[in-house]
Amino acid sequence: QKEVEQDPGPLSVPEGAIVSLNCTYSNSAFQYFMWYRQYSRKGPELLMYTYSSGNKEDGRFTAQVDKSSKYISLFIRDSQPSDSATYLCAPEGNDYKLSFGAGTTVTVRA
Amino acid sequence: EPEVTQTPSHQVTQMGQEVILRCVPISNHLYFYWYRQILGQKVEFLVSFYNNEISEKSEIFDDQFSVERPDGSNFTLKIRSTKLEDSAMYFCASSTGGGNTIYFGEGSWLTVV
Repeated sequence: QKEVEQDPGPLSVPEGAIVSLNCTYSNSAFQYFMWYRQYSRKGPELLMYTYSSGNKEDGRFTAQVDKSSKYISLFIRDSQPSDSATYLCAPEGNDYKLSFGAGTTVTVRA
Repeated sequence: EPEVTQTPSHQVTQMGQEVILRCVPISNHLYFYWYRQILGQKVEFLVSFYNNEISEKSEIFDDQFSVERPDGSNFTLKIRSTKLEDSAMYFCASSTGGGNTIYFGEGSWLTVV
């Protein structure tokens, strides 16, 4: 079983739609949960950082963590063509290294 | 906004040659990392560095790899004898502390021919 599972997509949505992205993980030692956005051939850009189970909102982005089911979600409201990118979930344990999912490629159609 | 900077952005090297990838982490950060991403694959951890020593390394980070913080600002990754399979994007990253947010540079694209 992979440590972090993420549906690679691709996911195509119309502008203004809600984008829903999910990850599951197997390592109970993961304590911190990050979502990154990556444009083609660029570095991962931090979107959201959460520590505990629950929701965290930042503008159009909402991150959810459910530690009991080892499930992480990212929601993008009112999606824009500029949101077209690959989204990476990346939990982190007490060894302070990120374990990346494969990434979900999202296209927002104008 | 402070950022992690990396040089070169792209390097082509002959198999067997040594390569040094350079990074300037964010100035008040204490933890430094190298990750890599082979084209079409996920981002993989290579090594973490804290207090002037390696704190963690992956199986990928074998004897051909080394890291160094030669001065107060630079953090380097050396690949001693490059192989074709070392072709990848190498990302430097830094954070203020364990469990804090990790910021990535734009990457150095290494092509081994």
